[in-house]
Amino acid sequence: SQQGEEDPQALSIQEGENATMNCSYKTSINNLQWYRQNSGRGLVHLILIRSNEREKHSGRLRVTLDTSKKSSSLLITASRAADTASYFCATPTKDAGNMLTFGGGTRLMVKP
Amino acid sequence: DAGVIQSPRHEVTEMGQEVTLRCKPISGHNSLFWYRQTMMRGLELLIYFNNNVPIDDSGMPEDRFSAKMPNASFSTLKIQPSEPRDSAVYFCASSFGTFYEQYFGPGTRLTVT
Repeated sequence: SQQGEEDPQALSIQEGENATMNCSYKTSINNLQWYRQNSGRGLVHLILIRSNEREKHSGRLRVTLDTSKKSSSLLITASRAADTASYFCATPTKDAGNMLTFGGGTRLMVKP
Repeated sequence: DAGVIQSPRHEVTEMGQEVTLRCKPISGHNSLFWYRQTMMRGLELLIYFNNNVPIDDSGMPEDRFSAKMPNASFSTLKIQPSEPRDSAVYFCASSFGTFYEQYFGPGTRLTVT
């Protein structure tokens, strides 16, 4: 099974609302990363949170990490139609030589 | 920097033909990754290189797939012979190391008929 798994698989909200996506992982991690993928494009790195950090902000993005629960959340505040994309979490997996293992992603649709 | 460059962007080929995908990583990055993305299987890591050396190719589906990195600025992924089930988007990504954020290219959409 995947190291990182996002929840929900799909999310549809109105512009201006907040969007929250969750990620669970199985093994201990060094860091956790969130990526965005627009349709037909490559993934774009959004934010990296280290295992000793609990929260990190970048613009309208807020990421939390709970290592005791092996989970992370990505919050997008005041969403815009341009935020419509798939969002992936990824973790370096020790058992895999610290290569990033990606989850299946959350498909976010923001309606104007 | 122009970012990770991949070519071609689209490739349509017939079953049995050889396909070569190309990637130029970001200058200074020492790790390069090849991924495959499909609706059914999501994003799969095929192989990654560190300092031009293949470190782990356990994700390569079978012997029909091969990858090379002759120097720090160029890598190829070859499929010979290609099959319809190889149809997917293939991404190349580079980074300063496996712990760090990866920068993805735009991908090559491969269709094998």
